[in-house]
Amino acid sequence: NAGVMQNPRHLVRRRGQEARLRCSPMKGHSHVYWYRQLPEEGLKFMVYLQKENIIDESGMPKERFSAEFPKEGPSILRIQQVVRGDSAAYFCASSPTQGAGETQYFGPGTRLLVL
Amino acid sequence: QKEVEQNSGPLSVPEGAIASLNCTYSDRGSQSFFWYRQYSGKSPELIMSIYSNGDKEDGRFTAQLNKASQYVSLLIRDSQPSDSATYLCAVNVGSGNTGKLIFGQGTTLQVKP
Repeated sequence: NAGVMQNPRHLVRRRGQEARLRCSPMKGHSHVYWYRQLPEEGLKFMVYLQKENIIDESGMPKERFSAEFPKEGPSILRIQQVVRGDSAAYFCASSPTQGAGETQYFGPGTRLLVL
Repeated sequence: QKEVEQNSGPLSVPEGAIASLNCTYSDRGSQSFFWYRQYSGKSPELIMSIYSNGDKEDGRFTAQLNKASQYVSLLIRDSQPSDSATYLCAVNVGSGNTGKLIFGQGTTLQVKP
């Protein structure tokens, strides 16, 4: 049973370019969460999605960041016009159902470096 | 006040000793608590979850929850060098069932042979 998959594992972008991060949840999981970990900082919640719906985006920066989880295919976290401060590890997690008690399983992360 | 607080450490213990990691949280409505382990450059890996007051044991790990004191801890018995990592306390905050986790900064544990 494959775990949460993320790609690419490493992504280098120049300032002003776009970054697209992809996440495929574990089989049978329909809930996806994105977290960001800045260097030397803790994990920060960004957004929670179900298929075709954004449930909670309270942690997403208001500009340049967007997320989707289409009916078919992986969840996508999109960062437009990247800046150096966007350099971080972006982790996706998934859970089988909704609820405060559900365990979230993390993918390997995408390390974004903005030059 | 931060929502979830941990001592960043490093916490250094000799091999075979008990390591005690602590976490406090601010939202009294929190219902679910998790401990994750994160090795340098890797993703978080679930160690324990706990939902009720008291102790929960799993192998060498024991999670302790005290909702009245808003305190959750993780004990690691017979610590091994392979336990050296950053331990993240995560709390589901708020009354909604969004599943959003709030993480502490993490405590770095060093187990010395």
